[in-house]
Amino acid sequence: NAGVTQTPKFRVLKTGQSMTLLCAQDMNHEYMYWYRQDPGMGLRLIHYSVGEGTTAKGEVPDGYNVSRLKKQNFLLGLESAAPSQTSVYFCASSYSWTSGNTDTQYFGPGTRLTVL
Amino acid sequence: GESVGLHLPTLSVQEGDNSIINCAYSNSASDYFIWYKQESGKGPQFIIDIRSNMDKRQGQRVTVLLNKTVKHLSLQIAATQPGDSAVYFCAENTRARDVANAGGTSYGKLTFGQGTILTVHP
Repeated sequence: NAGVTQTPKFRVLKTGQSMTLLCAQDMNHEYMYWYRQDPGMGLRLIHYSVGEGTTAKGEVPDGYNVSRLKKQNFLLGLESAAPSQTSVYFCASSYSWTSGNTDTQYFGPGTRLTVL
Repeated sequence: GESVGLHLPTLSVQEGDNSIINCAYSNSASDYFIWYKQESGKGPQFIIDIRSNMDKRQGQRVTVLLNKTVKHLSLQIAATQPGDSAVYFCAENTRARDVANAGGTSYGKLTFGQGTILTVHP
């Protein structure tokens, strides 16, 4: 199993440009999450999904959109990038806690995004 | 610009020593706790977890202790090795019902601490 994978690994954007980050998991997890990690701030939840076709806002959703068209994929979009969105982005996935499994979140390797 | 005023706690140990990393959590309703290890340039990696109905759990070379009275969590690493050098995060998991955004669906809301930098000297 590859676990959780993310593409791309690095990206540099100019202010106002758009892009999509792709997350894929092969563990048949119901839940998927997008976080951003900034120095001294820990990880903060942007959006999450509790199943295919569903998305919900997390702690810092402004400026981002997400889609979960397939169970194994969770996409994070930036429509008009801003320098404040310079960060490292992590995707994670977990089982549904109602399934009886632990809902430990498993993380991808991250995408380092710089917005100039 | 981003704040650089917050410095992560650091712990430096010699190879072979035992390490203890501490964490205070905030929510008394949290029912599940996880320790993650994050190496430079990588995503957080699961180390060990513990549920709120336990006060101790052991893994391979690692032990997690939970004190719910004072809302404190610790990670003990036995015979620390240079490969253990990383940032260690505790995370508390709270059952959250997201009524506004997810139709009342429950999910595990994970809140991370800021992390502790562990450096192991050969």
